[in-house]
Amino acid sequence: QQPVQSPQAVILREGEDAVINCSSSKALYSVHWYRQKHGEAPVFLMILLKGGEQKGHEKISASFNEKKQQSSLYLTASQLSYSGTYFCGTDPVTGDSWGKLQFGAGTQVVVTP
Amino acid sequence: NAGVTQTPKFRILKIGQSMTLQCTQDMNHNYMYWYRQDPGMGLKLIYYSVGAGITDKGEVPNGYNVSRSTTEDFPLRLELAAPSQTSVYFCASRRQSEAEAFFGQGTRLTVV
Repeated sequence: QQPVQSPQAVILREGEDAVINCSSSKALYSVHWYRQKHGEAPVFLMILLKGGEQKGHEKISASFNEKKQQSSLYLTASQLSYSGTYFCGTDPVTGDSWGKLQFGAGTQVVVTP
Repeated sequence: NAGVTQTPKFRILKIGQSMTLQCTQDMNHNYMYWYRQDPGMGLKLIYYSVGAGITDKGEVPNGYNVSRSTTEDFPLRLELAAPSQTSVYFCASRRQSEAEAFFGQGTRLTVV
């Protein structure tokens, strides 16, 4: 089962903040966040392991609530370079699907001057 | 380091033809993946492998086959191509469950 992302799209002015959410119906071992620019391959931003830790990449940070099987990506003081589609990927805990990395449908982020 | 290399970059197939999309990685990763991405959509998992000789289906395996005879290579076979298989195909690999996935540059496939 793919994780569910929200919102589908968000438009920001430079300097504004946004939150992208990712939820799963399955118990998760880890959550991955990637960004894809138009016509390019997805690029890794960060991985969060179960334990509720928070990580950061530039002014982009994320949290992982393993009890709720949810992760959130925070875009702070957005820059034009943050534009792209953000995907969350999830690793389930169950042994028979270990390593099965599935992605959500993506959240398109447009940052305008 | 070449990373993940996919060939070809572009291909046009006629309905009913077959082809193999090649994927190779030089990072000694044990996990490898094939995804397809339709225009404006997310990444759907076709097949994945957690090591040589071990493969398993993802969400959309119908019409595709894979093999993993070596750690480095993970080819995707399309039999009897259909217009619904028109998509961009990405191969990815990672070391184990705690590591980032590295993506190839993609193969843009059109079936006419």
